[in-house]
Amino acid sequence: QKEVEQDPGPLSVPEGAIVSLNCTYSNSAFQYFMWYRQYSRKGPELLMYTYSSGNKEDGRFTAQVDKSSKYISLFIRDSQPSDSATYLCAMSTSGTYKYIFGTGTRLKVLA
Amino acid sequence: GAGVSQSPSNKVTEKGKDVELRCDPISGHTALYWYRQRLGQGLEFLIYFQGNSAPDKSGLPSDRFSAERTGESVSTLTIQRTQQEDSAVYLCASTQGQGEGEQFFGPGTRLTVL
Repeated sequence: QKEVEQDPGPLSVPEGAIVSLNCTYSNSAFQYFMWYRQYSRKGPELLMYTYSSGNKEDGRFTAQVDKSSKYISLFIRDSQPSDSATYLCAMSTSGTYKYIFGTGTRLKVLA
Repeated sequence: GAGVSQSPSNKVTEKGKDVELRCDPISGHTALYWYRQRLGQGLEFLIYFQGNSAPDKSGLPSDRFSAERTGESVSTLTIQRTQQEDSAVYLCASTQGQGEGEQFFGPGTRLTVL
């Protein structure tokens, strides 16, 4: 079993839809949770950064962490064609520089 | 420049040849990572540099892989006697401090081994 599991997609949705992207993990020591967005032939860029459990909102994006279920989510409201990209989750334990990345979910938002 | 840069952007080589990939981190960032991203797979940690400390090489897949960094500047990743399974995108990232927090990624080098 991988430490971090992520459905690779592709996930296709119409413009304006609410998108839900998810990762599950097995290491209960993970404390820091991140979502990165990666456009084709580009490096990943940080979207959301969350510590421990709870929700965090930034514009159209909401990150949710449920440590009891070892499950994290990224919600995108009013999705746009420009949101079409691969979304990677990443997580780490406290006091470490090593991050474990999911495989990424490819999202297509259709105009 | 303001961001992390990598060169070359694309590299096609023949099996058995050596290749050298370069990363220029953001100025002032003390921590530098190399990752490998194979098609359909997540980022695979290769090596971590922090200032002048000994690097964490625990992710290097074989002794054909090596990396260097002088101080807090440029880093090079060298793959000797390349194999077809080395074909991937090699990403470099840098951060401030000890490596916690946001990693800033370069655009990657796409390596194809024929």
